[in-house]
Amino acid sequence: RKEVEQDPGPFNVPEGATVAFNCTYSNSASQSFFWYRQDCRKEPKLLMSVYSSGNEDGRFTAQLNRASQYISLLIRDSKLSDSATYLCVVVTYTGNQFYFGTGTSLTVIP
Amino acid sequence: EAGVTQFPSHSVIEKGQTVTLRCDPISGHDNLYWYRRVMGKEIKFLLHFVKESKQDESGMPNNRFLAERTGGTYSTLKVQPAELEDSGVYFCASSPTLNYGYTFGSGTRLTVV
Repeated sequence: RKEVEQDPGPFNVPEGATVAFNCTYSNSASQSFFWYRQDCRKEPKLLMSVYSSGNEDGRFTAQLNRASQYISLLIRDSKLSDSATYLCVVVTYTGNQFYFGTGTSLTVIP
Repeated sequence: EAGVTQFPSHSVIEKGQTVTLRCDPISGHDNLYWYRRVMGKEIKFLLHFVKESKQDESGMPNNRFLAERTGGTYSTLKVQPAELEDSGVYFCASSPTLNYGYTFGSGTRLTVV
């Protein structure tokens, strides 16, 4: 069983739409959670950390549900520049290893 | 602040040859990681250095892979001899502490033919 599962998409949404991605993880002892963004043929870049209380950064909202072992990312008012692959990342309890999902592809259409 | 730098950005080598990848982490970051993404798969952990010490190398696929971190600064990852299945993108990342979001380098795209 994979450590992190993500729906690969692709998600094709019009500009201005709201889109949500979910990710599940298998290790209940996982300690930290992140969303990364990866543009085509580029390196992953940290988008935001995910906290149990939920956190928001502008149009982006991340949520963590420890009981159900899933993480979500909500993007409101989608922009063309949001088109990318979004990677869900879970960190082991030892804190030294990231487990990546395969990524969810988003294309925002004019 | 300079980011994580990787060299080369691309490498094409023949099966059986040796290739050495280099990573320069962000200055002051004690934690340095190597990850790899092969075609169609998720990014996977290879190993973790804390300063010059290997903290965890459980992700290294086999003994053809050797990583070093001289003096706790830059790191090299050598593949010898390279096999076709070693093709992929090798990312280096660094962080100041554990459980902190990494900063990734732009990766080295390795193609073994």
